[in-house]
Amino acid sequence: GNSVTQMEGPVTLSEEAFLTINCTYTATGYPSLFWYVQYPGEGLQLLLKATKADDKGSNKGFEATYRKETTSFHLEKGSVQVSDSAVYFCALSDLYNFNKFYFGSGTKLNVKP
Amino acid sequence: NAGVMQNPRHLVRRRGQEARLRCSPMKGHSHVYWYRQLPEEGLKFMVYLQKENIIDESGMPKERFSAEFPKEGPSILRIQQVVRGDSAAYFCASSPRDRGMVAGSYNEQFFGPGTRLTVL
Repeated sequence: GNSVTQMEGPVTLSEEAFLTINCTYTATGYPSLFWYVQYPGEGLQLLLKATKADDKGSNKGFEATYRKETTSFHLEKGSVQVSDSAVYFCALSDLYNFNKFYFGSGTKLNVKP
Repeated sequence: NAGVMQNPRHLVRRRGQEARLRCSPMKGHSHVYWYRQLPEEGLKFMVYLQKENIIDESGMPKERFSAEFPKEGPSILRIQQVVRGDSAAYFCASSPRDRGMVAGSYNEQFFGPGTRLTVL
């Protein structure tokens, strides 16, 4: 079946530190991979995506590379800001299963000034 | 172009009452997905609907929960006889169309702000 596992939080970093949030997946077929961000009291916003192996998604300084050989899609940012504090969800979309999304449990990021 | 709209944003119900959650997809979108987020957890798929059809309800609890997406009007998620365990955030997402099963293709889903249901 399909599932997503991401590192547990919370992750606490100082401003300008390097960020990695690990995400691995299991899937049948040809999944697309996503990172969503959720700010307190709000819905999910798409952060970045990758639709096939070796694709790199990037947005707002965040990057993630679709690694089929390691079934991973780790999120990275070189220098975090206080405004990046939020919960980050890794997700996959299964093309062969009505495109429904499977989400990881979320990783809360706290960035201190 | 307005995004996905959900109302109410917050809903409080007492045990045994009914909860109705509404979702208006983005203009031109004919696919709607409902997800539930329990406290401190990720989102879990509940149901996928197209206009007037339930396509996949494999994530819906067998009892008390139902969903519809009529020809006109918003999609409705209905929870009858709510219990405390139903307290959660319910998110709706919409998608434009089915692009078919082609590798590298995907249907981006646009999420609404959610309805936070509290059962007293």
